[in-house]
Amino acid sequence: NAGVTQTPKFRVLKTGQSMTLLCAQDMNHEYMYWYRQDPGMGLRLIHYSVGEGTTAKGEVPDGYNVSRLKKQNFLLGLESAAPSQTSVYFCASSYRGEQYFGPGTRLTVT
Amino acid sequence: GQNIDQPTEMTATEGAIVQINCTYQTSGFNGLFWYQQHAGEAPTFLSYNVLDGLEEKGRFSSFLSRSKGYSYLLLKELQMKDSASYLCAVRDKRSGGYQKVTFGTGTKLQVIP
Repeated sequence: NAGVTQTPKFRVLKTGQSMTLLCAQDMNHEYMYWYRQDPGMGLRLIHYSVGEGTTAKGEVPDGYNVSRLKKQNFLLGLESAAPSQTSVYFCASSYRGEQYFGPGTRLTVT
Repeated sequence: GQNIDQPTEMTATEGAIVQINCTYQTSGFNGLFWYQQHAGEAPTFLSYNVLDGLEEKGRFSSFLSRSKGYSYLLLKELQMKDSASYLCAVRDKRSGGYQKVTFGTGTKLQVIP
């Protein structure tokens, strides 16, 4: 089992560009999450999903959109990137308890 | 909402014991998790407490007191590889099928020889 995978691992965007981060899990988990992690701020929830076809806003959703068309995939989109979105992005999945995290995507917006 | 407090940094000596504290405030407690995160890597699950008391897993133990809103992670026989950030996360009871989990900012532990 690969667990939770994320692509890409690194990306540099210019302000105003768009991109999609892909998260995939092979554990048949219902719940999936997107977090951002910034120094001194901890992990902050952007969006989450409680099942295929459902999404909901987390703590810091502005500037991001998500989709969960298939149970195993959770996509995070940035329509118009801003320097404030420079961060490390983690995807995670869970069944009922602990979350399993992907390796992260380091995004820099210049 | 939730408020989670952990020390920002700690230093301990190889072979020693270290205790990392976490205090929290929540309207509907439904479990506390500890995660380990090495620099540049993803968090990985260490322990889970939902009832009061101590949970032991090898060199790591986690304690919970729900009445005090307090938990600690105890690391014994410290090794250099234990240098990492330790994240406390609290889960809320919520209706509607989703139980919110909030992460603390983490405690960066440095183990020195």
